[in-house]
Amino acid sequence: RKEVEQDPGPFNVPEGATVAFNCTYSNSASQSFFWYRQDCRKEPKLLMSVYSSGNEDGRFTAQLNRASQYISLLIRDSKLSDSATYLCVVNGRATSYDKVIFGPGTSLSVIP
Amino acid sequence: DAGITQSPRYKITETGRQVTLMCHQTWSHSYMFWYRQDLGHGLRLIYYSAAADITDKGEVPDGYVVSRSKTENFPLTLESATRSQTSVYFCASSVQGVHGYTFGSGTRLTVV
Repeated sequence: RKEVEQDPGPFNVPEGATVAFNCTYSNSASQSFFWYRQDCRKEPKLLMSVYSSGNEDGRFTAQLNRASQYISLLIRDSKLSDSATYLCVVNGRATSYDKVIFGPGTSLSVIP
Repeated sequence: DAGITQSPRYKITETGRQVTLMCHQTWSHSYMFWYRQDLGHGLRLIYYSAAADITDKGEVPDGYVVSRSKTENFPLTLESATRSQTSVYFCASSVQGVHGYTFGSGTRLTVV
């Protein structure tokens, strides 16, 4: 089993739709969780951290379920500019930078 | 301008040649990382550095060499390039471990 798994998609959704991505991780000791966004042929950029209580940033909501070892990203009112690949990132230990694992990414296309 | 820069943006080299990819950051971040990104594998850590003169292997270090004589520079050298090293290489830096990764714009390397 891979350490971090994501549905590769692609997810093709119309503008204004709500879309959700899930990510599962295998290491129950993981402490830090993030979502990154990567546009085609560009570098990944931090979208948001994921906190235990869940957190929201505008149209984006991140949730963490430690018991089931998955995190989710919900995008409401999708915009064309949301088209990108979304990477789930998990860290094994709080200070273990060598165990930062990037998921393979989920591709999103928002269609007019 | 402040930031993290990689050079060259594109590179074509022949099998067996030595090639060095450059990474420079102006934030004085302690941590620097080299990743490669390939279809189907996501981002994989090659080497990382916690500070000047401190480097360590990541997930896929074979065939690569790094050095960090100065905090701001973290070059990656392919000692004898192979076709399997054709990839997009991203350098990243952070203040502390996994938190707040910032990536460079990447180097697209083709080994023929």
